[in-house]
Amino acid sequence: DVKVTQSSRYLVKRTGEKVFLECVQDMDHENMFWYRQDPGLGLRLIYFSYDVKMKEKGDIPEGYSVSREKKERFSLILESASTNQTSMYLCASSFRVQDVSQETQYFGPGTRLLVL
Amino acid sequence: AQTVTQSQPEMSVQEAETVTLSCTYDTSESDYYLFWYKQPPSRQMILVIRQEAYKQQNATENRFSVNFQKAAKSFSLKISDSQLGDAAMYFCALLSETSGSRLTFGEGTQLTVNP
Repeated sequence: DVKVTQSSRYLVKRTGEKVFLECVQDMDHENMFWYRQDPGLGLRLIYFSYDVKMKEKGDIPEGYSVSREKKERFSLILESASTNQTSMYLCASSFRVQDVSQETQYFGPGTRLLVL
Repeated sequence: AQTVTQSQPEMSVQEAETVTLSCTYDTSESDYYLFWYKQPPSRQMILVIRQEAYKQQNATENRFSVNFQKAAKSFSLKISDSQLGDAAMYFCALLSETSGSRLTFGEGTQLTVNP
């Protein structure tokens, strides 16, 4: 079974703190993704990575950065947390496929972040 | 730009009955794929079903089936013989041939199954 793990289920931080959210997958997936999930807005893509040391901006990258130093690990960084970054953060991974119809993303359990 | 809209924030169904969740989308691409993902209360999202836009036949996976209306850009999910374990948030998602692996998600529909 594919396993995507996230370092914390719940996190409470103060405004201005630097926050690291870690994601690890054990299936040798090339692609990794960070989403935030908010009620009424669904999932929105923050950043994704197709390979080690590669990153691409998603739809809402402002206020976030990412790091992918190893294939299995994808970190989301909030340089200076703000209250509007209070949200659920979901990590996902998938194989790089020739046929995108076979794309299947596997999700982690999520990290609920509260910024006070 | 592509968009996915789920107009039903909440739905409920009696156990053993059938429920249909709605999804509409918009894309200028000719090659695209549609998905339904399920997020149970434990929050680990899983893929339920997928549909290739070029296929006219509606996809089915056991009790889950879709009604894909390409001209109307509609992609609804039908759950037959609903079970308590079907209670979850359901997300519709779109992937276009040119977007690589980037999924566009809808807002989600919270499904409650009543015993």
